[in-house]
Amino acid sequence: QVQLQESGPGLVKPSETLSLTCSVSGGSISDFYWAWIRQPAGKGLECIGRVSTTGSTNYNPSLTSRVTMSINTSKNLFSLNLRSVTAADTAVYYCARESDSDWHALEYWGQGALVTVSS
Amino acid sequence: DIQMTQSPSSLSASVGDRVTITCRSSQSISRYLHWYQHKAGKAPKLLIYAASSLQSGIPSRFSGGGSGTDFTLTISSLQPEDFATYYCQQSYSAPQTFGQGTKVEI
Repeated sequence: QVQLQESGPGLVKPSETLSLTCSVSGGSISDFYWAWIRQPAGKGLECIGRVSTTGSTNYNPSLTSRVTMSINTSKNLFSLNLRSVTAADTAVYYCARESDSDWHALEYWGQGALVTVSS
Repeated sequence: DIQMTQSPSSLSASVGDRVTITCRSSQSISRYLHWYQHKAGKAPKLLIYAASSLQSGIPSRFSGGGSGTDFTLTISSLQPEDFATYYCQQSYSAPQTFGQGTKVEI
């Protein structure tokens, strides 16, 4: 059974960079698209973007100027960097794996990591 | 971006009730529509993909329908463990977008 686990600082100062890692176990990271999604308190889910093991990325246009995603196949993990954060970036951040079909549903999810942006 | 609109935003139901949630997209998305169940503090769970295909391990009381711009999620007989928030999501075009969620309460 594929399992995903987010890790990273729970508190980030305004204007700094939010960095999260998603560790994948129970399966290979290869040949899939891997995604980051976030949910601010009391709000809905927002796709941040996705990265493939070929290095291809797609970012939400609203965040593309501040986002970088990368993947490390040797360590079976992928990462999110979000620069110049503000309080509006406070949210629970989820990592997920898309299915291997053409439908691109988010088949496996991590439990989520709360990141608070505050000085 | 494609906008996804769910209705209702919340509903009250009882165990054994039949529940239907609707999702409408701002443009045609064929069948690139998926449904998730989310409970507080837990990972969202994929229920239905491609509008009507039941994800492995999901009970058959969950079903999905629709294509184009209008979609439904139906729970045929609500169980205690089904009280949660449900989201639709389109993967037809980037960025993938979610509906605002429907909270199913007692």
